[in-house]
Amino acid sequence: KQEVTQIPAALSVPEGENLVLNCSFTDSAIYNLQWFRQDPGKGLTSLLLIQSSQREQTSGRLNASLDKSSGRSTLYIAASQPGDSATYLCAVLYGNKLVFGAGTILRVKS
Amino acid sequence: DAGVIQSPRHEVTEMGQEVTLRCKPISGHDYLFWYRQTMMRGLELLIYFNNNVPIDDSGMPEDRFSAKMPNASFSTLKIQPSEPRDSAVYFCASSTTVSYNEQFFGPGTRLTVL
Repeated sequence: KQEVTQIPAALSVPEGENLVLNCSFTDSAIYNLQWFRQDPGKGLTSLLLIQSSQREQTSGRLNASLDKSSGRSTLYIAASQPGDSATYLCAVLYGNKLVFGAGTILRVKS
Repeated sequence: DAGVIQSPRHEVTEMGQEVTLRCKPISGHDYLFWYRQTMMRGLELLIYFNNNVPIDDSGMPEDRFSAKMPNASFSTLKIQPSEPRDSAVYFCASSTTVSYNEQFFGPGTRLTVL
């Protein structure tokens, strides 16, 4: 069964801290992996997409890595800000089906 | 582009009533997906279409749920009759192989069945 797990489930950090969110998946036959952000009561915003042949992608203060052989991805957020507070979801694309993790709830304290 | 558009944004209905959710995908996208998000089960894929044709509906919970895509710019998800356990946020997303199948999500429809 294709499962995606995210650790930790929740994280609270002071403003300015660098942090890492973890995602693991059971089936390495992925097409790509996406990281999303979801604000309370809102939709999903795509942050980064990593193709299965890629090792990492960067956008501003965000860096996502992918190790397909070990079934892991990390999302690194540099110099966190209160505006980064949200739920971060990892999703793995198998064929045309996205399988989501349960998410990490991030709170950045000012 | 306006992104994926969903309507209504909120729907409150009584048990037994028919509910229709609507989605307009991003122009040029040839894949359309319907997801449901609940606290208990997270985000789950219900059904997806490719070039207006349903490809996989294995996530549709039961026969009360049906989805159609009459053309490339419109899709509906219908629940008839609705039940309280159908209360959830329903998301529509679209993608294209030209953009590496990156999925773009609409704002969702929050459904409450009383």
